[in-house]
Amino acid sequence: NAGVTQTPKFRVLKTGQSMTLLCAQDMNHEYMYWYRQDPGMGLRLIHYSVGEGTTAKGEVPDGYNVSRLKKQNFLLGLESAAPSQTSVYFCASSYYPLAEDGELFFGEGSRLTVL
Amino acid sequence: ILNVEQSPQSLHVQEGDSTNFTCSFPSSNFYALHWYRWETAKSPEALFVMTLNGDEKKKGRISATLNTKEGYSYLYIKGSQPEDSATYLCAFITGSARQLTFGSGTQLTVLP
Repeated sequence: NAGVTQTPKFRVLKTGQSMTLLCAQDMNHEYMYWYRQDPGMGLRLIHYSVGEGTTAKGEVPDGYNVSRLKKQNFLLGLESAAPSQTSVYFCASSYYPLAEDGELFFGEGSRLTVL
Repeated sequence: ILNVEQSPQSLHVQEGDSTNFTCSFPSSNFYALHWYRWETAKSPEALFVMTLNGDEKKKGRISATLNTKEGYSYLYIKGSQPEDSATYLCAFITGSARQLTFGSGTQLTVLP
């Protein structure tokens, strides 16, 4: 099993460009999450999904959109990239709800630089 | 936004030393506390998920305790080894959203 796979691993964008990060998991997990990691800060939740066809806003959703058309995939989109979105993005999934003994399984991260 | 505080921010210990870190979180409306280990160039991996006051969990040389009434958790490493070098993250769940709020981590370096 590959676990949680993120593509691409690295990307450089110019301000105003758009892009999509793909997260795929092969563990049949119901719950999926997108976090961003910035220096000196904890992981912050961007958006999450509690099942196929559902999405919800996290702590820092502005400037991002997500879709969960298939259970195994969770896409994170940047419609018009800004330098403030330079970050490392982590996708994660869990089988159970996090408040009920669920634990996160993380992808390897995607480093995005917006010039 | 509810904050989780981890201390110390970083520490260096000698191989064989035992060490511990602290995670402080708001004690009201508690659901769960998670500990993750994050090695450089890898993904964070779950160590413990703790939901009950007084809970103690152990995995090899690593153990954790939880006090939900006073809002803290301790992570202990007995006989530290160089392979224990990593950033240790704690995260808690409270409130209606039931999502994790992460601390910024404790970076441990074990010197051979």
